[in-house]
Amino acid sequence: GAVVSQHPSWVICKSGTSVKIECRSLDFQATTMFWYRQFPKQSLMLMATSNEGSKATYEQGVEKDKFLINHASLTLSTLTVTSAHPEDSSFYICSARAFGLKRGGRYEQFFGPGTRLTVL
Amino acid sequence: GIQVEQSPPDLILQEGANSTLRCNFSDSVNNLQWFHQNPWGQLINLFYIPSGTKQNGRLSATTVATERYSLLYISSSQTTDSGVYFCAVGHRGSTLGRLYFGRGTQLTVWP
Repeated sequence: GAVVSQHPSWVICKSGTSVKIECRSLDFQATTMFWYRQFPKQSLMLMATSNEGSKATYEQGVEKDKFLINHASLTLSTLTVTSAHPEDSSFYICSARAFGLKRGGRYEQFFGPGTRLTVL
Repeated sequence: GIQVEQSPPDLILQEGANSTLRCNFSDSVNNLQWFHQNPWGQLINLFYIPSGTKQNGRLSATTVATERYSLLYISSSQTTDSGVYFCAVGHRGSTLGRLYFGRGTQLTVWP
């Protein structure tokens, strides 16, 4: 239980195009989902927090218009990188905080496998 | 926010050895999780342990919340244990539940 999927696993795109990444909680409802990015050999950096049906809360320094987040249901959140540029190339990871799970703790988060974005 | 420090940053072991990874944090927490990031980038949940002690096979973890630290023990290391181990905490009083990550410990286990 508590599985989070991401799609696609990797994507290569041309500079200027937009890329959408999906994050799904497969066997539980996620009241809150989080989006991180990770550069090589570094830790995870939180980009934004989203609650189902409301606007995302972005971390300082993260461009809202650049990284569009939609949390349309309790099992799906999407991150769209608009007009991607080479500096947006990174590993993007989502996580979900469970609602009503019998296992785990109240604040426990479960992570997706990540999406590797390369912008040419 | 809350500061999270992990030590050591790098650890090299021979297969079969035991190790202890440490995580210090700067304030009260309502969540503490240990993760193993495998070579493909997947974060594997090892423990949810805001306080107390837990064991799962060769791994165990202890969090002493009053002293603001957590320890991850790995016994009889195997090559498959290699990877980065992250500690992440949630700040008590935060209702959103965001996690603050440490910089990780890079573990390499040689056969």
